[in-house]
Amino acid sequence: QVQLQLWGAGLLKPSETLSLTCAVYGGSFNNYYWTWIRQSPGKGLEWIGDINHYGATSYNWVLGGRAAISTDTSKNQFSLRLASLTAADMATYYCARRPHSGFDFWSQGDLVTVSS
Amino acid sequence: YELTQPPSVSVSPGQTATITCSGHKLGEKLACWYHQKPGQAPILVIYADSKRPSGISERLSAFNSGNTATLTISGTQAMDEGDYYCQAWDGGCYVFGTGTTLTVL
Repeated sequence: QVQLQLWGAGLLKPSETLSLTCAVYGGSFNNYYWTWIRQSPGKGLEWIGDINHYGATSYNWVLGGRAAISTDTSKNQFSLRLASLTAADMATYYCARRPHSGFDFWSQGDLVTVSS
Repeated sequence: YELTQPPSVSVSPGQTATITCSGHKLGEKLACWYHQKPGQAPILVIYADSKRPSGISERLSAFNSGNTATLTISGTQAMDEGDYYCQAWDGGCYVFGTGTTLTVL
């Protein structure tokens, strides 16, 4: 069974950079896209971006280039860095796996708070 | 690109619940559906318009055509309560619907 485990800092200040890492257990790391998604009460679910095992990335343009996703294939892990945080970035963050259609395995959520 | 869902749907136990998702030419894209309960991550219940992942009840079915994708839950049970989100891919960006809260009265 595939499991995704997410960890990272939960309380940050405005202008700081969010760093989250997701480890994938079980299944293949190849042949999938590895995705970051967030959920806030005001905006609902929002796709942040994804990466494949080759390192090819795609991002949601609404983030204005603040997001960066990377992988460590030796550890079956991928990471998110989101720069220049504001209160609008407060949300529960998830990592997930994407095969051809849909996000089929998700991590537990990680609540990120941005406050001075 | 926007996907619009009704905020809430109510249904009696054993009846059929229908949740819609509207978006411009949505039928030309692949739609997915997710079920989320409070405090939990969403679960994929439909992918590629109408396919059920392993372990998802046959009571769930879906269809996508024109500007509307539709999720149908037959014989609705208390365990079906929660939020349902549609999702589609639009030109390199994955978009989620506004969400529908299903209440089984």
